[in-house]
Amino acid sequence: GAGVSQTPSNKVTEKGKYVELRCDPISGHTALYWYRQSLGQGPEFLIYFQGTGAADDSGLPNDRFFAVRPEGSVSTLKIQRTERGDSAMYLCASSQGGTSGSYNEQFFGPGTRLTVL
Amino acid sequence: SQQGEEDPQALSIQEGENATMNCSYKTSINNLQWYRQNSGRGLVHLILIRSNEREKHSGRLRVTLDTSKKSSSLLITASRAADTASYFCATGGQNFVFGPGTRLSVLP
Repeated sequence: GAGVSQTPSNKVTEKGKYVELRCDPISGHTALYWYRQSLGQGPEFLIYFQGTGAADDSGLPNDRFFAVRPEGSVSTLKIQRTERGDSAMYLCASSQGGTSGSYNEQFFGPGTRLTVL
Repeated sequence: SQQGEEDPQALSIQEGENATMNCSYKTSINNLQWYRQNSGRGLVHLILIRSNEREKHSGRLRVTLDTSKKSSSLLITASRAADTASYFCATGGQNFVFGPGTRLSVLP
């Protein structure tokens, strides 16, 4: 079946602009995660959805970052007033979901590479 | 700060040799997972080891876990050029905490 998909694969924008990054999880996966990865670093957790609600948004760096998942499937990560430091690979993952503390393998998408000029 | 820390940061070996990567973490865990990432691509899940397990195998992969030392190792036997990638350990129940990764280069 289809894996996690992310669009666009690459996004170049100018400082101060608004961007939206989209994630299509695996069908039936209730949990969805956003990560940010800088060059040479491991992924950094941003936000986790269980269904439609953000179960944990503690990783969002500031209020310029926001994510939604209105119907419990597709999610959009929104970044306002982009800064050069926002340039990174943004990864989305989904899993079957479950109660807190239980294991669920996360399936990652190919990522969106964001470049802020 | 990140929970997992892999070492070495970079490893270069010849095809056919074994590659060993280590991961240390700081707090108690339920499980630890290893992921592979090819250059510019998404992460691929390799193997999960639970806190009550000491060793686990999957094909050419062998993972060990020492909860007393808060460390894990990933061994890739008979390496191939296609194993060239970055390898990350991750801990956490839902929001994974990844280390900075080990960049493995397998030379033909």
